[in-house]
Amino acid sequence: DIQMTQSPSSLSASVGDRVTITCQASQDITNYLNWYQQKPGQAPKLLIYDASNLETGVPSRFSGSGSGTDFTFTISSLQPEDIATYYCQQYDNLPLMYTFGQGTKLEIK
Amino acid sequence: QVQLQESGPGLVKPSETLSLTCTVSGGSISSYYWSWIRQPAGKGLEWIGRIYTSGSTNYNPSLKSRVTMSVDTSKNQFSLKVSSVTAADTAVYYCARVGAGATLFDYWGQGTLVTVSS
Repeated sequence: DIQMTQSPSSLSASVGDRVTITCQASQDITNYLNWYQQKPGQAPKLLIYDASNLETGVPSRFSGSGSGTDFTFTISSLQPEDIATYYCQQYDNLPLMYTFGQGTKLEIK
Repeated sequence: QVQLQESGPGLVKPSETLSLTCTVSGGSISSYYWSWIRQPAGKGLEWIGRIYTSGSTNYNPSLKSRVTMSVDTSKNQFSLKVSSVTAADTAVYYCARVGAGATLFDYWGQGTLVTVSS
């Protein structure tokens, strides 16, 4: 089974900062890597799909990159409303599984 | 706009069966995979399984022996059953649509808390 390692587990940054979260897969997953934002008491929301594609309606300050085993999620200029926990998620078809990273809790400094 | 809503008992006794239903509105349930995902309090997300509108299923191997999913296309609903529950099954349960390409979750329900306790 493919394991996902997401880091850091928590992050404190100031408004306007550039924020980066990484996700590493234990095997090549090509670009089957998605990023979600989860605010307290809410369901996760898809932000980035297939490693680097911005979901419709998501602000352009969010971006993703990577392929194979190493992926990066970036917020170019942190806004107060970005306070949330962020998860990466991979898809594998042998065996069929959807696996989430451990999550990164983002706080305002 | 597709909307999903979970429903079912919020409290289940140990060793009994957890049963939840997800009602889809704003679009047809047909031609998509639909999933259940759960999240224990303060912890991460765990995929439980998915079902296609034909009734074809795939389950997380760690839960496969206790999980059953079904679909009722006439009601635009799909359901989850988890048997022989323990306190470890206490979590917020989300239903979600598996998006185009079947690799991501693009629409989610608000989630429902299920507590396993006597």
